[in-house]
Amino acid sequence: AQKVTQAQTEISVVEKEDVTLDCVYETRDTTYYLFWYKQPPSGELVFLIRRNSFDEQNEISGRYSWNFQKSTSSFNFTITASQVVDSAVYFCALSEAQAVDSNYQLIWGAGTKLIIKP
Amino acid sequence: GAVVSQHPSRVICKSGTSVKIECRSLDFQATTMFWYRQFPKQSLMLMATSNEGSKATYEQGVEKDKFLINHASLTLSTLTVTSAHPEDSSFYICSATQDFSGNTIYFGEGSWLTVV
Repeated sequence: AQKVTQAQTEISVVEKEDVTLDCVYETRDTTYYLFWYKQPPSGELVFLIRRNSFDEQNEISGRYSWNFQKSTSSFNFTITASQVVDSAVYFCALSEAQAVDSNYQLIWGAGTKLIIKP
Repeated sequence: GAVVSQHPSRVICKSGTSVKIECRSLDFQATTMFWYRQFPKQSLMLMATSNEGSKATYEQGVEKDKFLINHASLTLSTLTVTSAHPEDSSFYICSATQDFSGNTIYFGEGSWLTVV
């Protein structure tokens, strides 16, 4: 069964600290996509990254970095030198690549609320 | 880039009335649109999947007659909450995709519904 687990319900750090948000997934497919979204208090979802299962290279985008480890089925997200504006709920999501005529759905983790204190 | 627009962003309605939320793909044709509901401090819950021109596929536990979804064109899907009750108050968000490759999926801004 497909499943995404974000075990950390809430993380609180002081500004400028580094913080890692964990994401562990379960899937039977060999081809799948992993996503991270940010949801600030206003509610809208902000796309951060999409990674397909064949690309295990870690990615860095500014202060954000992602560590994809297929061996442990994890796709962790690290914010370096955190800022107050990073405060939000972060969701990890999984999509399996089904048959071409199937619908494309996201399986969501429960989300991690990140609080950055000034 | 592609944009999905939801309207209204906030709506307050009286119990017993119906309210319609629109989800539009502004610069692409959305073959599939998804409607999610999010309770406070919880993750997104998929309500239904709609393909243009066909009936929506509802997730288990979602009442079809209460949450009417219409996907009349490749750029517009609507969610109508019928005979709304205070427990329907929630954040509703749509997403749209134009292909099945997993490369393109876009979310609307979300709609806050408050039933009083």
